[in-house]
Parts: sequence; structure tokens; C-alpha cells
Amino acid sequence: GAVVSQHPSRVICKSGTSVKIECRSLDFQATTMFWYRQFPKQSLMLMATSNEGSKATYEQGVEKDKFLINHASLTLSTLTVTSAHPEDSSFYICSARDPGQGLGYTFGSGTRLTVV
Amino acid sequence: GENVEQHPSTLSVQEGDSAVIKCTYSDSASNYFPWYKQELGKGPQLIIDIRSNVGEKKDQRIAVTLNKTAKHFSLHITETQPEDSAVYFCAAGSNFGNEKLTFGTGTRLTIIP
Repeated sequence: GAVVSQHPSRVICKSGTSVKIECRSLDFQATTMFWYRQFPKQSLMLMATSNEGSKATYEQGVEKDKFLINHASLTLSTLTVTSAHPEDSSFYICSARDPGQGLGYTFGSGTRLTVV
Repeated sequence: GENVEQHPSTLSVQEGDSAVIKCTYSDSASNYFPWYKQELGKGPQLIIDIRSNVGEKKDQRIAVTLNKTAKHFSLHITETQPEDSAVYFCAAGSNFGNEKLTFGTGTRLTIIP
């Protein structure tokens, strides 16, 4: 089945620094990928839709200048959390859909970001 | 936009018994309803899904039912096992437009040995 690889799985960074998270579709091409944020014991909240070769579409309330998304190829999308603050600490998860496998979305394993 | 409600938020079931989790959605344009299982510290894993042109789908111990008229869909797990303990999320989406999924609030299922 479709596999989505996400790295790193865990990252700790200092306040004010930037962190990049990678999301790769390993065995299929994804023109669209999705980035979610999940706080402890809460649901997944869609942050943005990453579109290959064009600008990402951000959900209401998500700062596009803070959460930079780049989808430069059909198999890679990156999320960069800029000038991170402790309140950005969360579990970030990406997903993509393999068109060859119907409507099913595959999720990455997630990235636990801790800002200290 | 779409709004998905999920109940219950927590569910404890004796091993071997059945578990049922229910969701409702608001957008009649939604035509795809997946269920995900999430274990601690991991990404969600698709366990079963159903499209709006089908009323029921089953895969071994797991089944999903959909009532389009009432905008309800449910997950049924039979003969529960300890490894079924996890958080389960329902979601609703569409294969038209931007194809994004809206998730329910999750159900923490605990199987009691």
C-alpha cells in the first residue's frame, strides 16, 4: 500500500529558531499533501494543503508566514516552523492520497516538536 | 464547512465484547468516510472506509455503516482484543474540490482483559 514517510520523528529546538519537517510519498506521486497539527488528547486539525508547484492553501487562523510550506516535487512537501515558540509545541502530521488507491489518505508517522 | 461530531469520547469494553462508535456530519456534499486508529505517539492508520454509494462495509471484525439521509456513520468492532485499545477517529470528506478531510474529536477505546 501507499507509504508516507515523515522526518524527523522528534525534534527539540530553542525558542526563536526554525525547524523543518519533511513529508515524502515513497511509492506514489502526490500533487497534494496535507499538514495537520494535533495537541495532546485532541483531534487532528488541518493547517494547510500543500500543492505541488504552487502556493499552499492555509486554513483560517493559521499564519502562513510562520508555517512555511514548500511542495517542490511530486514526492516531497516540507513544513518549516519559523521563529518557534513554546506554544508551537505539538504533534505535526502529514498525509497524502495515492490516486491509484481510491480515496484513501495515508498519514505519516508524525513529528513531535518541543520548543524550549 | 464540514462539521463532524463523534461519540463517545471514551469507551471501555470487556475483551470479546463489541464496541460501537458513532459520528455525524453536516455537509451533504461529503461522500467519503474513513475511520482511523491512532496509537500513542504515532500517525493515524486507516482501518476501514466507506463511500456514500454504499450503506455498509465489513472487513473481518470491523464494519462501518452509513446512513446518508440522517448523515450518520458508525464503526463496529466485534470480538474485541486488547490490541484494539487506541484512539479512533472518524472523518468526512469529498473527492471533489480540495479533497480535505474533517476529523471527529476521537474516541479513546480501552479493552479490558
